Amino acid sequence: NAGVTQTPKFQVLKTGQSMTLQCAQDMNHNSMYWYRQDPGMGLRLIYYSASEGTTDKGEVPNGYNVSRLNKREFSLRLESAAPSQTSVYFCASSELEGAVTFGSGTRLTVV
Amino acid sequence: GNSVTQMEGPVTLSEEAFLTINCTYTATGYPSLFWYVQYPGEGLQLLLKATKADDKGSNKGFEATYRKETTSFHLEKGSVQVSDSAVYFCAPDSWGKLQFGAGTQVVVTP
Repeated sequence: NAGVTQTPKFQVLKTGQSMTLQCAQDMNHNSMYWYRQDPGMGLRLIYYSASEGTTDKGEVPNGYNVSRLNKREFSLRLESAAPSQTSVYFCASSELEGAVTFGSGTRLTVV
Repeated sequence: GNSVTQMEGPVTLSEEAFLTINCTYTATGYPSLFWYVQYPGEGLQLLLKATKADDKGSNKGFEATYRKETTSFHLEKGSVQVSDSAVYFCAPDSWGKLQFGAGTQVVVTP
């Protein structure tokens, strides 16, 4: 049972560089999410996708873009990384109003 | 949207002690309520849930009751173990999106 798979697990970027975080789920879930976790702030929703072909902004979307490539995959792109984007990023998926399953996270450092 | 208030941590306990983590929320309507747990270096895992008023969610010795009158969903465990050391997150569901509290770190010592 793979569940939600995120790559990479760790990444260091220089300010201004771009990168894409990959996420795939094998549970046939319709909804997928990207969260960031910062100390003392819990998890904050960046973007979500209620179904294939749709994406919507969450609480903290600035500086990010997403692509719902198909039902399985939901990627997060940082076009020009900033130190404020240093965080742990979690991808997740669920059925509507069902429990959310999380990936193991990507620890990103922007220097 | 929903908002969540959790008690601040860290909460430090001895093994076999009683644990309570308070959680209150504001919401439109009656959302499903969840507790998630995050062990060191891992992602979040569902611990338990309740979908309507007076429901009690339970798992691994943890319990929480959906209290509509007080908009609360406090987490309890009667006898904690060292392996329960983790960060616990309360999260109401808002139209398919979870609103997380800041998390409460629990440290259980032998």
